[in-house]
Amino acid sequence: GAVVSQHPSWVICKSGTSVKIECRSLDFQATTMFWYRQFPKQSLMLMATSNEGSKATYEQGVEKDKFLINHASLTLSTLTVTSAHPEDSSFYICSATRGSDTGELFFGEGSRLTVL
Amino acid sequence: GQNIDQPTEMTATEGAIVQINCTYQTSGFNGLFWYQQHAGEAPTFLSYNVLDGLEEKGRFSSFLSRSKGYSYLLLKELQMKDSASYLCAVVDSNYQLIWGAGTKLIIKP
Repeated sequence: GAVVSQHPSWVICKSGTSVKIECRSLDFQATTMFWYRQFPKQSLMLMATSNEGSKATYEQGVEKDKFLINHASLTLSTLTVTSAHPEDSSFYICSATRGSDTGELFFGEGSRLTVL
Repeated sequence: GQNIDQPTEMTATEGAIVQINCTYQTSGFNGLFWYQQHAGEAPTFLSYNVLDGLEEKGRFSSFLSRSKGYSYLLLKELQMKDSASYLCAVVDSNYQLIWGAGTKLIIKP
């Protein structure tokens, strides 16, 4: 099956610093990647959709200047949390689609961000 | 290794009941999620179980047995709009999400 990998899986940083999370499709070309945020016991919240080579489309309420998304190649998308604050502490998950008609999504393992 | 198993595809009839099983083997356990996902859309949260037992929410119920590493999602009074993929995901001891491959549910009239 298709594999999506995230790195780092766990990161702790100081308030005010920026953190970059990578999402890679290991064995397929991902035409579209999605970034989600999950709070404990709550639903996955879609943050943005990114297509390779174009600007990401952000969901309402998500600050695009704070959550920078780059999808520079068909196998890599990055999410940078800029000037992180404790309220940004969360679980960030990416998924990718091969763009087939099924629209099947393949999920990464998630990246746990803790901002001190 | 860590593993989540769920059936690849199931077919059921409109108005009937269907049970989608999920078995898991993970390093630790901090909860199990069920999501519904329609093609091309983001998953929708259905349930979260961390304690053993059955939780009911309208037409959907989710059951967990931690000792057996087993959960199921029960859908009653099936409607055509329930045709979707159903994803089981377990949070392990490192708070990593381990995803099942999903079960494609096909509802027939």
